[in-house]
Amino acid sequence: DIQMTQSPSSVSASVGDRVTITCRASQAIRSWLAWYQQKPGKAPNLLIYAASSLQSGVPSRFSGSGSGTDFTLTISDLEPEDFATYFCQQTNSFPFTFGQGTRLEIK
Amino acid sequence: QVTLKESGPVLVKPTETLTLTCTVSGFSLSNTIMGVSWIRQPPGRALEWLAHIFSNDEGAYSTSLKSRLTISKDTSKSQVVLTMTNMDPLDTATYYCVHVWGSPPYYYYGVDVWGLGTTVTVSS
Repeated sequence: DIQMTQSPSSVSASVGDRVTITCRASQAIRSWLAWYQQKPGKAPNLLIYAASSLQSGVPSRFSGSGSGTDFTLTISDLEPEDFATYFCQQTNSFPFTFGQGTRLEIK
Repeated sequence: QVTLKESGPVLVKPTETLTLTCTVSGFSLSNTIMGVSWIRQPPGRALEWLAHIFSNDEGAYSTSLKSRLTISKDTSKSQVVLTMTNMDPLDTATYYCVHVWGSPPYYYYGVDVWGLGTTVTVSS
């Protein structure tokens, strides 16, 4: 199975800051990586697919990059509603696997 | 509009078999580009992908849970069923039925629609 490792596991930031979250795959997955945002008590929401494509309706302050084994999610100019937990998922091959999550907290 | 709704028991006992049903709408389970997965999330923990069913009834499974899982579908009822045998307290989680977006079997973008989830507690 492909292991997905996210870092950091948690990060504190302020409104207006820029934050970067990293996801590393244990083997190359081309660009088949998705990012999700999850708020407490809710199902996750797709933010980015195919590593860098913004899902419809997602604000442009979210962006993704990377290919192969190393990927990043960047949130520019943080808004209050962005404080949540973020997960990456590889969709290159079954079984699809998730990272362990990054909790974004208000500083 | 694609929707998925999970149903099943709230509480199961250790060693019992869990059966969860996902009722879908907005797409057909016979559509060759459709894909439905089950994902779970223990309280306060990460998401765990469990299983996926293709239009041809074939399934893909989590390697660690493969011996305990079976995924199937009833196209006429628009339902996908997941069974998990030999339940353990560590299987306590919210179980999500999800629509996987892409062009199977060539590529998959990710989960574009999630069910609300159903919380299952394993306890005697």
